[in-house]
Amino acid sequence: DVKVTQSSRYLVKRTGEKVFLECVQDMDHENMFWYRQDPGLGLRLIYFSYDVKMKEKGDIPEGYSVSREKKERFSLILESASTNQTSMYLCASRYSGNGYEQYFGPGTRLTVT
Amino acid sequence: GDSVTQMEGPVTLSEEAFLTINCTYTATGYPSLFWYVQYPGEGLQLLLKATKADDKGSNKGFEATYRKETTSFHLEKGSVQVSDSAVYFCALKNTGNQFYFGTGTSLTVIP
Repeated sequence: DVKVTQSSRYLVKRTGEKVFLECVQDMDHENMFWYRQDPGLGLRLIYFSYDVKMKEKGDIPEGYSVSREKKERFSLILESASTNQTSMYLCASRYSGNGYEQYFGPGTRLTVT
Repeated sequence: GDSVTQMEGPVTLSEEAFLTINCTYTATGYPSLFWYVQYPGEGLQLLLKATKADDKGSNKGFEATYRKETTSFHLEKGSVQVSDSAVYFCALKNTGNQFYFGTGTSLTVIP
């Protein structure tokens, strides 16, 4: 079974803190993704990575950065957390190529106070 | 650009009722289409998919048919159970790496 794990299920941080969210997959997937999920807005893509050290901005990259030094790990970084970044963060991975689905982690609920 | 529009919820049904959740898409070419389900407190799980026109995806009693002429991929189940209560997302993937998700439809099934 494919497994995508995220470092924390719940996280509480203060405004201005630097926040790291980690995601690890065990299926040698090339592509990895970070989304945020907010009520009424569905899933919005923050960043994705199509291979090691490769990244592309998604629809809402402002205030975020990412790192992918190893194939299995994709990190999302909030350089200076703000209250409007309070959200559910979902990581996903997949094989590249048409027709392959994404596999999601359980999510990290981040609260910034 | 590519996009997905799905029926707004919430939807409340009695157990054993028939379920339809509508999903239409906008895309050039021949995207792959997916339905994901999210149970409370969890991430999304793939429910079913279809990769070409007229394909029918099915799983756990759910079905959806890829209709290119109507650009639709409606989710159906003949008899819902309480355990089907969840949020359902329609999604598409075209030639790039990005997936496009609908806003989700919340389903509650009451005994």
